[in-house]
Amino acid sequence: SQQGEEDPQALSIQEGENATMNCSYKTSINNLQWYRQNSGRGLVHLILIRSNEREKHSGRLRVTLDTSKKSSSLLITASRAADTASYFCATGTKETSGSRLTFGEGTQLTVNP
Amino acid sequence: DAGVTQSPTHLIKTRGQQVTLRCSPKSGHDTVSWYQQALGQGPQFIFQYYEEEERQRGNFPDRFSGHQFPNYSSELNVNALLLGDSALYLCASSGLTGDGYGYTFGSGTRLTVV
Repeated sequence: SQQGEEDPQALSIQEGENATMNCSYKTSINNLQWYRQNSGRGLVHLILIRSNEREKHSGRLRVTLDTSKKSSSLLITASRAADTASYFCATGTKETSGSRLTFGEGTQLTVNP
Repeated sequence: DAGVTQSPTHLIKTRGQQVTLRCSPKSGHDTVSWYQQALGQGPQFIFQYYEEEERQRGNFPDRFSGHQFPNYSSELNVNALLLGDSALYLCASSGLTGDGYGYTFGSGTRLTVV
C-alpha cells in the first residue's frame, strides 16, 4: 500500500512560473526523498531531507518538511518545459543506506512553453 | 561511471510463463532493491538484496523471487505470470559511497503479460 499521498495529482503551469507539490505520509520516518520520472522511465533522485531538518535547497528546488503534520512540499522555481515529468515523494524509515522506500502516487507536472 | 543497468528494456510474455529480469548496480553500490510500478501509480517495494541474501520483502507473493550474485548484480524472477503483473520493474542500487540515503534507479524493464 502507498504511504504517501501527493497533491495535486496533476498540475499545469506556464514556463517561468513556480510549481508547488505536496506530499503527506502516515508513519514516522527517518527521511523523505523526492524523485522525478520522465515518461514512465527510471526515477531520478532530486533531493533528500532528514526528519530533523525543516527545509533544504538544491538549485531551483526547495523542499520543506513538517513532521508534526506528516507533510512535505516541493517547490520548483522558474519552471522550464524540461521540468515536465511526474514527481514522487518517498519515505524511508531507517538511517541506513538502502532503506526501503514507500512512494506516493505522484504528481504529473506539465510546464507549457 | 555507469549507473544502474537493467535488461531487457521491454518484454512481452504470455500468462502462466516465467520471466527473469536483470540488474547491474552502480559501481561501488552493494545493495539492490526491486520495485514494481503499475501504470499511473507509484513504485511499490518488492524486495532488497544485500550480501547475496534477501534482507527485506514487501507484500508480494512467493511467485516473485530474486537472487544477488557475488558481483552485486541481481535477478528478479516471476513465475506463473498473471495479467496483473504487467508493469514497469525498477531496480535501484545503493551503498556506502557518499550518496546519503538516496537510491540510483535504472531505466526499468517494461513487462507486458498477454
